[in-house]
Amino acid sequence: KNEVEQSPQNLTAQEGEFITINCSYSVGISALHWLQQHPGGGIVSLFMLSSGKKKHGRLIATINIQEKHSSLHITASHPRDSAVYICAVRSTGGSEKLVFGKGMKLTVNP
Amino acid sequence: NAGVTQTPKFRILKIGQSMTLQCTQDMNHNYMYWYRQDPGMGLKLIYYSVGAGITDKGEVPNGYNVSRSTTEDFPLRLELAAPSQTSVYFCASSSRTDRVSNQPQHFGDGTRLSIL
Repeated sequence: KNEVEQSPQNLTAQEGEFITINCSYSVGISALHWLQQHPGGGIVSLFMLSSGKKKHGRLIATINIQEKHSSLHITASHPRDSAVYICAVRSTGGSEKLVFGKGMKLTVNP
Repeated sequence: NAGVTQTPKFRILKIGQSMTLQCTQDMNHNYMYWYRQDPGMGLKLIYYSVGAGITDKGEVPNGYNVSRSTTEDFPLRLELAAPSQTSVYFCASSSRTDRVSNQPQHFGDGTRLSIL
């Protein structure tokens, strides 16, 4: 079993829909990262959080440490949100190393 | 601000050839990482470095070597290319001090490598 599991693996939505991407992990963590990978391949860090909620524009990330679960929400989705969204965790113990989920491919149709 | 720069972007190698993937960052980050990304799989850590002169193995180091002679550069060496090393390679960097940890990693655009 992977330490980081993402669901769903693929999602197709219509423009304007509210989208939720889930991430569950099985280890103790010091931080969780949400990353975005566009079709061109580049990877961008969206959020890094260790508790509560963070918001940036139409994106909201939440984390529940007790349940070992995080969600990434996209409000008013747009075709330009089409990308692979990757969840990664940094385990406790002081290491900077990340363990990555397999990613979730989102396609937003106009 | 260039961030993390990887070269080349694409490369085709024959089995048994060697090559070096270059990675440089201009953010004065002390931590640098090399990952590989295979289709349908999460990124896997190959090697990482916590500062100039210090490197350590990640999850999948076999078949690769690294060096970190400067803060800016972290090249990845493939000595005897094998088809199993066909992948997309990403370099990343982050900053960590005694007072500030848990900083985001900054990624390069990747190198797509095919071994035939």
